[in-house]
Amino acid sequence: SYELTQPPSVSVSPGQTASITCSGDKLGDTYTCWYQQKPGQSPVVVIYQDTKRPSGIPERFSGSNSGNTATLTISGTQAMDEADYYCQAWDSSTVVFGGGTKLTVL
Amino acid sequence: QVQLQESGPGLVKPSETLSLTCTVSGDSISSSTYYWAWIRQPPGKGLEWIGTIYYSGTTYYYNPSLKSRVTMSVDTSKNQLSLKLRSVTAADTAVFYCARQASLAATGNFDSWGQGTLVTVSS
Repeated sequence: SYELTQPPSVSVSPGQTASITCSGDKLGDTYTCWYQQKPGQSPVVVIYQDTKRPSGIPERFSGSNSGNTATLTISGTQAMDEADYYCQAWDSSTVVFGGGTKLTVL
Repeated sequence: QVQLQESGPGLVKPSETLSLTCTVSGDSISSSTYYWAWIRQPPGKGLEWIGTIYYSGTTYYYNPSLKSRVTMSVDTSKNQLSLKLRSVTAADTAVFYCARQASLAATGNFDSWGQGTLVTVSS
């Protein structure tokens, strides 16, 4: 079965750039999306189809996908961005989620 | 704006069947544009896709690891989708979410989610 690998945790200082990676075999050949989940809340999509931002998602969120790695980048990270982030892709008629990355802003 | 609301028992005994319903408002579940999904999240753990279904009920995909125990269905008259998970164990304890999926393909992100409902499997 297809697997997506994320680092368990990433730390960033306020105002700096945070990068969260998602790795999978030939991941760049398909689309990746990213979800933000804050404690006690449902996930919210922040990036879809590799690079697109839904309405209402701040411009500081961006995405890329090439080769075996997709990356979620948060520029000028704010305290409110502290959350768990999950990547998601589609493979052989199944949805696959990464294990999640806890972003700490300190 | 679409809203999804999960409902069902919060406690299920081991070996029994977990049954949940998701009521959709603000959008027709019969919309040809979207698909409808169930996703779960064990306490303190990550997201796991359970399956996705089209309103017709004839097109669906299940997580291979759960396929033998899962049945999803749609009731268009009530604008609801349902989940049945058979022969549950403690490992099935999770928050269960229903979600709207943009497509049944690589472009298919989940753009709207319910608030989730915690189901505990315990005797």
